[in-house]
Amino acid sequence: DAKTTQPPSMDCAEGRAANLPCNHSTISGNEYVYWYRQIHSQGPQYIIHGLKNNETNEMASLIITEDRKSSTLILPHATLRDTAVYYCIVRVPYNTDKLIFGTGTRLQVFP
Amino acid sequence: EAQVTQNPRYLITVTGKKLTVTCSQNMNHEYMSWYRQDPGLGLRQIYYSMNVEVTDKGDVPEGYKVSRKEKRNFPLILESPSPNQTSLYFCASSFLVGGEAFFGQGTRLTVV
Repeated sequence: DAKTTQPPSMDCAEGRAANLPCNHSTISGNEYVYWYRQIHSQGPQYIIHGLKNNETNEMASLIITEDRKSSTLILPHATLRDTAVYYCIVRVPYNTDKLIFGTGTRLQVFP
Repeated sequence: EAQVTQNPRYLITVTGKKLTVTCSQNMNHEYMSWYRQDPGLGLRQIYYSMNVEVTDKGDVPEGYKVSRKEKRNFPLILESPSPNQTSLYFCASSFLVGGEAFFGQGTRLTVV
């Protein structure tokens, strides 16, 4: 699986958009970009995934660059409950399906 | 409600006393797996199963066993726990092809 690089930590004011970057320069053509988050020591929670088109759901938006070497997760209106570690993962979505969690980005949302 | 349920949530045990952590999912997922999470090491896969009676080792399988007799259940067995298995454990499930993985709430195990 391709590796990802994320900043170790970020801050965001409540109500503002949180933009979390991820570099995946060695991503292969059939690998998707997935985002998960982990609040405290709870189980990781799926957020969104995409291949090459931008994606949006009720939680977030995912912007993938045209060359697919990087992506940005956008939480449009961050709340205190969005404080968590965010993981960017690239993988082929079938077969062993192993998720390789890196160190992620610790997002702190402040009042 | 779609969920993955682990039990127990917390467990303190002594070295060598066999234990089982149960995992059950209600989404008819084919794929299930176990992870452990340790400070500085992140989440690492222990075992996975692609369907009933099909299991395989992940990255850190030593000291663990699993079984998949039914599609919904995937218990993690520690035959002779040791202190280095003190960790936070997560069970996850997903459909085989694409989509999201659902994680349980975790089991914090302490072996003394």
